[in-house]
Amino acid sequence: NAGVTQTPKFQVLKTGQSMTLQCAQDMNHNSMYWYRQDPGMGLRLIYYSASEGTTDKGEVPNGYNVSRLNKREFSLRLESAAPSQTSVYFCASSASQGNNSPLHFGNGTRLTVT
Amino acid sequence: AQSVTQPDIHITVSEGASLELRCNYSYGATPYLFWYVQSPGQGLQLLLKYFSGDTLVQGIKGFEAEFKRSQSSFNLRKPSVHWSDAAEYFCAVGAQGSARQLTFGSGTQLTVLP
Repeated sequence: NAGVTQTPKFQVLKTGQSMTLQCAQDMNHNSMYWYRQDPGMGLRLIYYSASEGTTDKGEVPNGYNVSRLNKREFSLRLESAAPSQTSVYFCASSASQGNNSPLHFGNGTRLTVT
Repeated sequence: AQSVTQPDIHITVSEGASLELRCNYSYGATPYLFWYVQSPGQGLQLLLKYFSGDTLVQGIKGFEAEFKRSQSSFNLRKPSVHWSDAAEYFCAVGAQGSARQLTFGSGTQLTVLP
């Protein structure tokens, strides 16, 4: 039972490079989310997808784009990485976007931008 | 705007001792409250949640939390801590209909001494 799978686990980029973080869930969940976690700041929502075919901005969307490829997959793209995007990125999913449906998290991607 | 404060950045307890992690929230209506735990290198896992009803809620791994509206608090407790409880703990507050509006606290790191 894989749950939420994120790839890669670690990544180092140079400023200006681009990359895509991949996320897939096997729980048939409708809603998916991307968070970033920075020391002393908890988790902040970057983008979310309430259901297949829809995406919306969260609290800190600048510098990111997302694609809900299908019901299972939700990718996060950094077009031109900046040192301020050094962070740990978490993907999560839930059966629905209401808080009655708990979030299930992946194990994270640790990104360093030099 | 909603907010969550976890006043203790780091707590150290001895194995077998009791534990209380503090969480204070600010929210205009009846909040949805959560505690998540993050073990090293892992994603967040839901410990327990409060939506309504009995203000003392039981969670997994022997944890419980008490909602005190008058104090705007939702403190997490465990009577006897095990070494495996060493992790980071996050309190979160949200609205009923929207997980995208979930606000996380900055976390409390728990160290357990043998």
